[in-house]
Amino acid sequence: GAGVSQSPRYKVAKRGQDVALRCDPISGHVSLFWYQQALGQGPEFLTYFQNEAQLDKSGLPSDRFFAERPEGSVSTLKIQRTQQEDSAVYLCASSPTRGFHNEQFFGPGTRLTVL
Amino acid sequence: QQQVKQSPQSLIVQKGGISIINCAYENTAFDYFPWYQQFPGKGPALLIAIRPDVSEKKEGRFTISFNKSAKQFSLHIMDSQPGDSATYFCAAFNQAGTALIFGKGTTLSVSS
Repeated sequence: GAGVSQSPRYKVAKRGQDVALRCDPISGHVSLFWYQQALGQGPEFLTYFQNEAQLDKSGLPSDRFFAERPEGSVSTLKIQRTQQEDSAVYLCASSPTRGFHNEQFFGPGTRLTVL
Repeated sequence: QQQVKQSPQSLIVQKGGISIINCAYENTAFDYFPWYQQFPGKGPALLIAIRPDVSEKKEGRFTISFNKSAKQFSLHIMDSQPGDSATYFCAAFNQAGTALIFGKGTTLSVSS
C-alpha cells in the first residue's frame, strides 16, 4: 500500500511569504506527527494529532506555525511570514493507533528554503 | 539542552566490518528507544527498538546493547555492507510516549 506522502517535495519562499505544507498519512492511521529537520540534524517534534484533535503542539517554535487536521486524515502545516531560520525539511509521520510507543511511518518530507 | 546525545557524527567502515554507534540520555522517564535509518531524500524508517529492561536485542545483522545504569545504548551493525550507508538516528519517546526525541544522527559510509 501507499506510504505517507507529502507535497510539495520542495518549496522556495521569499522571506515574509506564507507557505502551506500538506501531509497525506497512511489510510486509517489515527495519529499524525510533524517534525522539523534542520540540515545535518535529527528531526525535532513540532506537533501531534490524534484523529482531528491536536493533542500536543509544544514543539511549534512560534505562533507563526499552525497545523490542522480537520477531518482526521490529511494535515496541513502552515508557516506565516516565513523567515530564513524556517529553512528545513518538514517531515510528517503517521501511526496506526493512539497507543504509546507505536512505530511512526515517515513521509519523504518537504524541503523548505526561505530566501 | 540535548536530551539524547549521539556519537560519532560520522563513521567510515570497511565492507564486512562492525559499525558501532553510541547514544546516551539523561531523562530516566524515557522507557522506549528506537533506532531509525534515513537515506538521502527519504524519511527515517524504523530499524530496531528496545526497552530498558532488556540488555540486548538482535534482529539480523543489527544489535542494540542497553546499559540502564549508565543510561547508554548502542547500535552494532555486523558484517556492514555498502547498502547500509545511511544516516542513523537513535531516539527516545517523550514522557507521554507519543513524540520521538532524536539524536543528531550518525552518517555511516561503508566502503566496498
